[in-house]
Amino acid sequence: EAGVTQSPTHLIKTRGQQATLRCSPISGHTSVYWYQQALGLGLQFLLWYDEGEERNRGNFPPRFSGRQFPNYSSELNVNALELEDSALYLCASNLWASDTQYFGPGTRLTVL
Amino acid sequence: TQLLEQSPQFLSIQEGENLTVYCNSSSVFSSLQWYRQEPGEGPVLLVTVVTGGEVKKLKRLTFQFGDARKDSSLHITAAQPGDTGLYLCAGDNQGGKLIFGQGTELSVKP
Repeated sequence: EAGVTQSPTHLIKTRGQQATLRCSPISGHTSVYWYQQALGLGLQFLLWYDEGEERNRGNFPPRFSGRQFPNYSSELNVNALELEDSALYLCASNLWASDTQYFGPGTRLTVL
Repeated sequence: TQLLEQSPQFLSIQEGENLTVYCNSSSVFSSLQWYRQEPGEGPVLLVTVVTGGEVKKLKRLTFQFGDARKDSSLHITAAQPGDTGLYLCAGDNQGGKLIFGQGTELSVKP
Protein backbone atom coordinates (compact mmCIF):
# COMPACT_ATOMS: atom_id res chain seq x y z
CA GLU A 1 0.00 0.00 0.00
CA ALA A 2 1.42 3.38 -1.01
CA GLY A 3 2.03 5.85 1.77
CA VAL A 4 1.43 9.58 1.85
CA THR A 5 3.21 11.28 -1.03
CA GLN A 6 4.25 14.91 -1.30
CA SER A 7 5.57 17.05 -4.11
CA PRO A 8 7.86 18.68 -4.82
CA THR A 9 10.63 17.33 -2.61
CA HIS A 10 12.41 20.66 -2.57
CA LEU A 11 11.20 24.14 -3.47
CA ILE A 12 13.25 27.31 -3.61
CA LYS A 13 11.49 30.67 -3.76
CA THR A 14 12.33 34.30 -3.10
CA ARG A 15 10.68 36.65 -0.64
CA GLY A 16 7.25 37.83 -1.74
CA GLN A 17 6.61 34.91 -4.10
CA GLN A 18 3.93 32.25 -3.68
CA ALA A 19 4.54 28.56 -3.04
CA THR A 20 2.22 25.63 -3.73
CA LEU A 21 2.82 22.29 -2.06
CA ARG A 22 0.91 19.12 -2.86
CA CYS A 23 -0.07 16.04 -0.88
CA SER A 24 -1.72 12.73 -1.78
CA PRO A 25 -3.08 10.80 1.20
CA ILE A 26 -3.04 7.06 1.72
CA SER A 27 -5.77 5.44 -0.37
CA GLY A 28 -9.02 5.46 1.57
CA HIS A 29 -7.98 8.22 3.96
CA THR A 30 -10.26 11.26 3.89
CA SER A 31 -8.48 13.57 6.34
CA VAL A 32 -5.33 15.50 5.47
CA TYR A 33 -3.22 17.50 7.90
CA TRP A 34 -0.45 20.01 7.26
CA TYR A 35 2.40 20.74 9.68
CA GLN A 36 5.36 23.08 9.57
CA GLN A 37 8.70 21.93 10.98
CA ALA A 38 10.98 24.92 11.22
CA LEU A 39 14.47 24.70 12.69
CA GLY A 40 14.31 25.01 16.44
CA LEU A 41 10.52 25.24 16.58
CA GLY A 42 9.41 21.63 16.27
CA LEU A 43 6.30 20.51 14.42
CA GLN A 44 3.52 23.07 14.40
CA PHE A 45 -0.01 22.25 13.24
CA LEU A 46 -1.13 24.30 10.23
CA LEU A 47 -4.38 22.97 8.79
CA TRP A 48 -6.76 20.00 8.83
CA TYR A 49 -9.01 19.13 5.89
CA ASP A 50 -11.68 16.46 5.91
CA GLU A 51 -14.18 15.68 3.16
CA GLY A 52 -13.17 18.85 1.33
CA GLU A 53 -13.77 21.17 4.28
CA GLU A 54 -11.29 23.01 6.51
CA ARG A 55 -11.92 21.57 9.99
CA ASN A 56 -9.25 23.22 12.11
CA ARG A 57 -6.52 25.78 11.72
CA GLY A 58 -3.34 26.42 13.66
CA ASN A 59 -1.95 29.75 14.77
CA PHE A 60 -0.66 30.88 11.37
CA PRO A 61 -1.46 34.02 9.34
CA PRO A 62 -4.09 33.95 6.56
CA ARG A 63 -1.41 33.88 3.86
CA PHE A 64 -1.18 30.17 4.70
CA SER A 65 -4.15 28.54 3.02
CA GLY A 66 -5.08 25.34 1.32
CA ARG A 67 -7.77 23.15 -0.07
CA GLN A 68 -8.76 19.54 -0.44
CA PHE A 69 -9.90 18.12 -3.73
CA PRO A 70 -12.68 15.56 -4.36
CA ASN A 71 -10.06 12.79 -4.59
CA TYR A 72 -8.89 13.85 -1.07
CA SER A 73 -5.53 15.14 -2.25
CA SER A 74 -4.60 18.54 -0.88
CA GLU A 75 -2.70 21.70 -1.67
CA LEU A 76 -1.02 24.09 0.71
CA ASN A 77 -0.50 27.61 -0.57
CA VAL A 78 1.78 30.13 1.07
CA ASN A 79 1.49 33.68 -0.24
CA ALA A 80 3.87 36.61 0.19
CA LEU A 81 6.69 34.33 1.31
CA GLU A 82 8.90 35.48 4.15
CA LEU A 83 12.36 34.23 5.09
CA GLU A 84 10.99 32.58 8.24
CA ASP A 85 8.67 30.42 6.14
CA SER A 86 11.70 28.30 5.29
CA ALA A 87 10.92 24.90 6.79
CA LEU A 88 10.01 21.29 6.13
CA TYR A 89 6.28 21.10 5.40
CA LEU A 90 4.78 17.77 6.33
CA CYS A 91 1.47 16.30 5.27
CA ALA A 92 -0.29 13.52 7.16
CA SER A 93 -3.47 11.57 6.57
CA ASN A 94 -5.88 9.30 8.41
CA LEU A 95 -9.37 7.84 8.23
CA TRP A 96 -10.94 9.96 10.95
CA ALA A 97 -9.87 12.57 13.46
CA SER A 98 -8.96 10.21 16.29
CA ASP A 99 -7.06 7.76 14.11
CA THR A 100 -3.27 7.63 13.94
CA GLN A 101 -1.80 10.16 11.52
CA TYR A 102 0.62 8.84 8.89
CA PHE A 103 3.17 11.29 7.56
CA GLY A 104 4.63 11.89 4.15
CA PRO A 105 8.34 12.63 3.51
CA GLY A 106 7.77 16.39 3.43
CA THR A 107 8.57 19.30 1.13
CA ARG A 108 11.63 21.36 2.00
CA LEU A 109 10.78 25.01 1.27
CA THR A 110 13.65 27.47 1.17
CA VAL A 111 12.91 31.18 0.93
CA LEU A 112 15.81 33.36 -0.20
CA THR B 1 -2.87 26.18 25.21
CA GLN B 2 -1.89 22.53 25.36
CA LEU B 3 1.84 21.91 25.56
CA LEU B 4 3.98 18.81 25.64
CA GLU B 5 7.33 19.14 27.37
CA GLN B 6 9.80 16.59 26.10
CA SER B 7 13.12 15.88 27.78
CA PRO B 8 15.97 15.65 27.33
CA GLN B 9 16.32 17.61 24.09
CA PHE B 10 19.69 16.05 23.29
CA LEU B 11 21.13 12.72 24.34
CA SER B 12 24.49 11.27 23.34
CA ILE B 13 25.28 7.81 24.66
CA GLN B 14 27.47 4.79 23.98
CA GLU B 15 26.20 1.63 22.35
CA GLY B 16 24.74 -0.73 24.95
CA GLU B 17 23.55 1.94 27.38
CA ASN B 18 19.92 2.37 28.43
CA LEU B 19 17.99 5.62 28.16
CA THR B 20 14.61 7.12 28.93
CA VAL B 21 12.85 10.00 27.18
CA TYR B 22 10.03 11.81 28.96
CA CYS B 23 6.99 13.59 27.63
CA ASN B 24 4.94 15.62 30.12
CA SER B 25 1.89 17.84 30.00
CA SER B 26 -0.64 19.45 32.30
CA SER B 27 -3.35 18.46 29.82
CA VAL B 28 -5.11 15.16 29.32
CA PHE B 29 -4.80 13.56 25.89
CA SER B 30 -7.08 10.95 24.38
CA SER B 31 -4.00 9.19 23.00
CA LEU B 32 -0.31 9.76 22.64
CA GLN B 33 1.95 8.75 19.80
CA TRP B 34 5.69 8.32 19.57
CA TYR B 35 7.41 8.95 16.26
CA ARG B 36 10.97 8.63 15.01
CA GLN B 37 12.25 10.97 12.33
CA GLU B 38 15.37 10.72 10.20
CA PRO B 39 16.94 13.90 8.75
CA GLY B 40 14.98 15.24 5.75
CA GLU B 41 12.19 12.68 6.14
CA GLY B 42 8.75 12.63 7.70
CA PRO B 43 8.09 11.16 11.15
CA VAL B 44 7.45 7.42 11.24
CA LEU B 45 5.00 6.13 13.82
CA LEU B 46 6.47 3.83 16.47
CA VAL B 47 3.49 3.32 18.77
CA THR B 48 0.15 4.76 19.91
CA VAL B 49 -0.88 4.49 23.57
CA VAL B 50 -4.50 5.06 24.47
CA THR B 51 -5.29 3.69 27.93
CA GLY B 52 -3.97 5.26 31.13
CA GLY B 53 -1.22 3.06 32.58
CA GLU B 54 -0.75 1.24 29.29
CA VAL B 55 2.66 -0.27 28.56
CA LYS B 56 3.68 -1.31 25.05
CA LYS B 57 6.88 -2.99 23.96
CA LEU B 58 8.50 -2.86 20.55
CA LYS B 59 11.64 -5.02 20.67
CA ARG B 60 14.06 -3.01 22.84
CA LEU B 61 11.70 -0.04 23.14
CA THR B 62 9.18 0.23 26.00
CA PHE B 63 6.48 2.89 25.95
CA GLN B 64 4.34 3.84 28.91
CA PHE B 65 1.30 6.10 29.15
CA GLY B 66 0.71 7.74 32.52
CA ASP B 67 -2.30 6.75 34.59
CA ALA B 68 -3.83 10.21 34.14
CA ARG B 69 -3.01 10.26 30.40
CA LYS B 70 -0.94 13.43 30.82
CA ASP B 71 2.53 11.99 30.41
CA SER B 72 4.46 9.25 28.68
CA SER B 73 7.92 7.75 28.56
CA LEU B 74 10.05 5.89 26.06
CA HIS B 75 12.73 3.58 27.40
CA ILE B 76 15.36 2.04 25.14
CA THR B 77 17.36 -0.91 26.41
CA ALA B 78 20.87 -1.60 25.12
CA ALA B 79 20.84 1.23 22.57
CA GLN B 80 22.38 0.61 19.18
CA PRO B 81 23.75 3.07 16.57
CA GLY B 82 20.69 2.29 14.43
CA ASP B 83 18.53 3.90 17.15
CA THR B 84 20.05 7.29 16.33
CA GLY B 85 17.42 9.82 15.28
CA LEU B 86 14.87 12.38 16.42
CA TYR B 87 12.20 10.98 18.72
CA LEU B 88 8.94 12.89 18.94
CA CYS B 89 5.96 12.50 21.22
CA ALA B 90 2.61 13.83 20.06
CA GLY B 91 -0.68 14.14 21.90
CA ASP B 92 -4.08 13.85 20.26
CA ASN B 93 -6.55 16.39 21.66
CA GLN B 94 -9.44 15.14 19.47
CA GLY B 95 -9.47 18.48 17.64
CA GLY B 96 -7.81 16.84 14.66
CA LYS B 97 -4.39 18.28 15.35
CA LEU B 98 -1.47 16.64 17.08
CA ILE B 99 0.41 18.57 19.73
CA PHE B 100 4.10 17.74 19.39
CA GLY B 101 6.87 17.86 21.93
CA GLN B 102 10.11 19.58 20.95
CA GLY B 103 11.76 16.27 20.21
CA THR B 104 14.76 14.37 21.58
CA GLU B 105 17.81 14.15 19.35
CA LEU B 106 19.42 10.80 20.19
CA SER B 107 22.94 9.89 19.12
CA VAL B 108 24.25 6.41 19.87
CA LYS B 109 27.97 6.03 19.35
CA PRO B 110 29.52 2.64 18.55
